[in-house]
Amino acid sequence: QVQLVESGGGVVQPGGSLRLSCATSGFTFSNYGMHWVRQAPGKGLEWVAFIRHDGTGESYGDSVRGRFIISRDNFKNTVDLQVNSLRAEDTAVFYCAKDGGGVAPDFWGQGTLVTVSS
Amino acid sequence: DVVVTQSPLSLPVTLGQPASISCRSGQSLLHSDGITYLSWFHQRPGLSPRRLIYTVSNRDSGVPDRFSGSGSGTDFTLRISRVEAEDVGIYYCLQGTYWPPTFGQGTKLEIK
Repeated sequence: QVQLVESGGGVVQPGGSLRLSCATSGFTFSNYGMHWVRQAPGKGLEWVAFIRHDGTGESYGDSVRGRFIISRDNFKNTVDLQVNSLRAEDTAVFYCAKDGGGVAPDFWGQGTLVTVSS
Repeated sequence: DVVVTQSPLSLPVTLGQPASISCRSGQSLLHSDGITYLSWFHQRPGLSPRRLIYTVSNRDSGVPDRFSGSGSGTDFTLRISRVEAEDVGIYYCLQGTYWPPTFGQGTKLEIK
């Protein structure tokens, strides 16, 4: 079955960086685009980033463009999110999700919590 | 960015009764390829979101047939024919026609 497992979250000071990773299994990873979506505590879902199945194109939300970088390794079946210049408002659970066609994620991981605090 | 607006934001429902959630977008979600990229998700407390419906009205595998999606253009609806206890949580719509994709604010369904 499809599995996505995020890791790399933690507590970081404002201005700091983290590298989030998502390990996947149960599907042909190189055939699918991948998303990162985040959810601030008690808030709704916010789409963050997407990478094409072959890694040839990425897209970012307005609030993270220029600070976050999405990448993938089609040999290791992983997708990463490098999060830089972190701000308090970046505090959230970050989910990786498999694209199900038409920009509609069909499988989600359990999430990893990023807390930005001094 | 395309703004997606859900209503109501809070939805108390009696068990066994129907429920309906509206999702409206600031622009038509009909893509130039002829497909409308509007999907629905359900998030139970403490859990990850689960996709229920994609491209307006297509139900995901394992989703009970009491869930249905409809709509076109800028107006879309998720309907639950008879609410069950496991349906509590927050429902989100997501438009994928325009970049960046945008979620609605969420609708919290609770049992009266």
